[in-house]
Amino acid sequence: GENVEQHPSTLSVQEGDSAVIKCTYSDSASNYFPWYKQELGKGPQLIIDIRSNVGEKKDQRIAVTLNKTAKHFSLHITETQPEDSAVYFCAAKETSGSRLTFGEGTQLTVNP
Amino acid sequence: DGGITQSPKYLFRKEGQNVTLSCEQNLNHDAMYWYRQDPGQGLRLIYYSQIVNDFQKGDIAEGYSVSREKKESFPLTVTSAQKNPTAFYLCASRTGGGSPLHFGNGTRLTVT
Repeated sequence: GENVEQHPSTLSVQEGDSAVIKCTYSDSASNYFPWYKQELGKGPQLIIDIRSNVGEKKDQRIAVTLNKTAKHFSLHITETQPEDSAVYFCAAKETSGSRLTFGEGTQLTVNP
Repeated sequence: DGGITQSPKYLFRKEGQNVTLSCEQNLNHDAMYWYRQDPGQGLRLIYYSQIVNDFQKGDIAEGYSVSREKKESFPLTVTSAQKNPTAFYLCASRTGGGSPLHFGNGTRLTVT
């Protein structure tokens, strides 16, 4: 099955700096890669996703890049704000079936 | 407002007791999922259902059972056979295929 690795497990940045979280996946046939943000005591919320026919996608301060050859994708957050502090999860979807496999999460802390 | 409702938010049980976690969605989604979240281990799939009256085991199904008698409901029973049931349980749903996964706000189960 699919295996997703996520790095780093913790990330601390100063307000206004950029943050980058990276994930690798094992199944070259995976075609859908979402990113979720989870605030304390709540369920994860989708913040951005990308499909394998696209190399980059942006939504205001958030962007995701995908390198199919290397089988890795990254989340970029620019001009970070304290409210960006949360746990972020990447995921990859198997081509067959409807299962998402998640990375282990990154605790992002944005210091004022 | 459409969404996924998990109840209760906190649940306490004595060891050896079965307990059922509720998940209801009014999004008219076909597929529903149960994930378990432990610190540092990301989200692990317990069971999922793509259609009423049908469900499949995920990666950690031992000690758990589910039913899907109605499209909007997917309750999870944590049985006494589950060796380490204390965890944060997340229910999710989606319309199917490559559509995004929507999560509830979770139930934190503590078994002593």
